[in-house]
Amino acid sequence: QSALTQPASVSGSPGQSITISCTGTSSDVGGYNYVSWYQQHPGKAPKLMIYDVSNRPSGVSNRFSGSKSGNTASLTISGLQAEDEADYYCSSYTSSSTLFYVFGTGTKVTVL
Amino acid sequence: EVQLVESGGVVVQPGGSLRLSCAASGFTFDDYTMHWVRQAPGKGLEWVSLISWDGGSTYYADSVKGRFTISRDNSKNSLYLQMNSLRTEDTALYYCAKENIYYFDYWGQGTLVTVSS
Repeated sequence: QSALTQPASVSGSPGQSITISCTGTSSDVGGYNYVSWYQQHPGKAPKLMIYDVSNRPSGVSNRFSGSKSGNTASLTISGLQAEDEADYYCSSYTSSSTLFYVFGTGTKVTVL
Repeated sequence: EVQLVESGGVVVQPGGSLRLSCAASGFTFDDYTMHWVRQAPGKGLEWVSLISWDGGSTYYADSVKGRFTISRDNSKNSLYLQMNSLRTEDTALYYCAKENIYYFDYWGQGTLVTVSS
């Protein structure tokens, strides 16, 4: 079971929107609506941003939204702000015989 | 407020053993499945292991199966990871994480395990 595929980096100017993709297989992303997204600032623990594909936890800005089509999930950050600069990881439940959860390769978001 | 505090990370030689602990507070610990997730220096997140609310079910990533053992003591609100036959590739920051049905809603700050001679 390989990690889910994310772009290594995405950048945007303040106020713009960016989208991070997360591609898996029918055994994980495509097979279940259990995709979550995590934000990680340098030296900090991951923070839940989106769960069950498109749900935002209490306290997370509505500038963050999630979606899924087939085997690819996406995280969109609208109205990009300097504080959004961080690493982002997707995760999915998987029916793999060797794993229960698989993470994405991670995407570095840079605010220009 | 939910808090997860890991401890036990040190420098250990290849082939050595180590036990990590995670102290939980701010929620009903024995209601939830708990996980260990690790992150090698400069790398991404890797799921390591999970244990059900009652300790009756445990699962491991292939990379640690047979070497690591996850356990919990609900009377002490604590999660553990016994790590044996450590390899250099086990060097990582180890996080404990609380599961809320298919996602990780809270994470600790991590404890660093370095396997080096």
